[in-house]
Amino acid sequence: GAVVSQHPSWVICKSGTSVKIECRSLDFQATTMFWYRQFPKQSLMLMATSNEGSKATYEQGVEKDKFLINHASLTLSTLTVTSAHPEDSSFYICSAKILNEQYFGPGTRLTVT
Amino acid sequence: AQSVSQHNHHVILSEAASLELGCNYSYGGTVNLFWYVQYPGQHLQLLLKYFSGDPLVKGIKGFEAEFIKSKFSFNLRKPSVQWSDTAEYFCAVTRRDNKLIFGAGTRLAVHP
Repeated sequence: GAVVSQHPSWVICKSGTSVKIECRSLDFQATTMFWYRQFPKQSLMLMATSNEGSKATYEQGVEKDKFLINHASLTLSTLTVTSAHPEDSSFYICSAKILNEQYFGPGTRLTVT
Repeated sequence: AQSVSQHNHHVILSEAASLELGCNYSYGGTVNLFWYVQYPGQHLQLLLKYFSGDPLVKGIKGFEAEFIKSKFSFNLRKPSVQWSDTAEYFCAVTRRDNKLIFGAGTRLAVHP
């Protein structure tokens, strides 16, 4: 149980375009999901908390207009990287929370050319 | 601000060697502590967790960790590693707002 999926697993896009990443909890409902960013050889940095039915809360330094988060249902959160630039290239990981534990998705590697 | 420190960034061991990975955190209040593992090409998986009770926590795959409150530490141990333990290991602690802070990670390479 407690499986989290992400789609796509990797994406290449051109600078200036927008990319949407989906995070789904497959066998449970999650009112709270999290989005992380992982740079090469570095740790996971929390970007934002996605709350079902309400606005996401962003960590300090994360541009909410650039990283749009929508949590429209109890099993789906989406992260849209708007007007992507090469510096947005990274590994994006979501997690879904049950009680005091988080279950992580496999990640999405974004490359902006 | 709360922080998590993992002292070893890179560890290389031979099979059957014992493993101890250090983790220290900065917050003095009540914390929940976790160790996650990320095998090559795979997603983060929970190894073990500590919320309360017995400070010696046993997890999956023969791993254990000991919470020492006085030292703000939660070190991960395994008495005998296997090649399949090659992975990256992350210590994490919940912030005051119950969100996770991760350490920088330790890359473990186990040679046959």
